[in-house]
Amino acid sequence: DTEVTQTPKHLVMGMTNKKSLKCEQHMGHRAMYWYKQKAKKPPELMFVYSYEKLSINESVPSRFSPECPNSSLLNLHLHALQPEDSALYLCASSQEGGGAFGYTFGSGTRLTVV
Amino acid sequence: EDQVTQSPEALRLQEGESSSLNCSYTVSGLRGLFWYRQDPGKGPEFLFTLYSAGEEKEKERLKATLTKKESFLHITAPKPEDSATYLCATRYNTDKLIFGTGTRLQVFP
Repeated sequence: DTEVTQTPKHLVMGMTNKKSLKCEQHMGHRAMYWYKQKAKKPPELMFVYSYEKLSINESVPSRFSPECPNSSLLNLHLHALQPEDSALYLCASSQEGGGAFGYTFGSGTRLTVV
Repeated sequence: EDQVTQSPEALRLQEGESSSLNCSYTVSGLRGLFWYRQDPGKGPEFLFTLYSAGEEKEKERLKATLTKKESFLHITAPKPEDSATYLCATRYNTDKLIFGTGTRLQVFP
């Protein structure tokens, strides 16, 4: 299995809702990432988990809450989001330092906040 | 702050018309330069990793090269299916992958 699987593919939520994005990989990668991508912009790093511990938080607002239950799973809990949070949310995973195969990205969750 | 700059922002090519995309990066402490292809609404697809100046990697019509201050993605005889956004990204002393702004490539038949 050489994929990163993200669910759901699309999500519409109201500003008072609580929802979660899920990401799963079975490549034995020890690092997992959340990126946010707005239209016609590059992906922007949000969080990095290394060996299931949060190692980088790019000053992301607390309405985004990451969780890494085990080495294969990564969640992003969403609460009280704003319309400007609408974006493509990408999960990625990697071996030590990216390796010869780089960072593997999922297909993303298209989030719309109404 | 570490910087990654890509040019051109957009590129229109006729099918078969070869060209190159540029990625300039902060030199100090580089621990990997990555090229990705991204189709609209999808996640980036890994193409190449380069680590040191002089290194080259090839895949079908694509060839990536690395010098001491920039990387090039050469596209030879492109086809319409090569149309996508090509992203360059760098890694330094952490797990953080920093993306450039990308080059949107359109190849016309």
